Amino acid sequence: GDSVTQMEGPVTLSEEAFLTINCTYTATGYPSLFWYVQYPGEGLQLLLKATKADDKGSNKGFEATYRKETTSFHLEKGSVQVSDSAVYFCALSRNSGNTPLVFGKGTRLSVIA
Amino acid sequence: GAVVSQHPSRVICKSGTSVKIECRSLDFQATTMFWYRQFPKQSLMLMATSNEGSKATYEQGVEKDKFLINHASLTLSTLTVTSAHPEDSSFYICSIKQGGNEKLFFGSGTQLSVL
Repeated sequence: GDSVTQMEGPVTLSEEAFLTINCTYTATGYPSLFWYVQYPGEGLQLLLKATKADDKGSNKGFEATYRKETTSFHLEKGSVQVSDSAVYFCALSRNSGNTPLVFGKGTRLSVIA
Repeated sequence: GAVVSQHPSRVICKSGTSVKIECRSLDFQATTMFWYRQFPKQSLMLMATSNEGSKATYEQGVEKDKFLINHASLTLSTLTVTSAHPEDSSFYICSIKQGGNEKLFFGSGTQLSVL
């Protein structure tokens, strides 16, 4: 079945450091790929998405590129801030029907000043 | 504004009691809603798919008699945790998918703590 694997956390970075959170997926066909963010005490929010190969999703300085050849969707940010501290979830969804999201385990990011 | 309204946001209850969580679609009719559960430091795991007017579809390992799902209208789905126990303490969140992949919305979640 479909699955998402993302790097284990927690990840602790200093402010302005470069961030990469790896995500790979297993799925047949061409799923859509997502990154969701969960700030402390809040629900999930969509951070960015990509719906086809080579698409780049971007938002709030975060980027991720849909790489079908490596089945990856790594999240990057050039300079993290303390306010980026949160749990980040990689997820996929099929393009047809009402299939639900399949999530990775989440990666907790802590950014220290 | 919010597209999905989930209540309550937090509930603390005694062991053995039942807790109902509501998930409302505010802007559109949702024929299908999804219920997820997140244990501390773990990922969101799909519990069940709630279909309007029919029985919910539960994932393997989820007790349907314990987690009662009702999707009586196109805008409301409820999850009732019956006879809750401390091991049911978790973060429960609903999700609505509108149309294709372009629109996916989450409720703000319910933190359940069973004493």
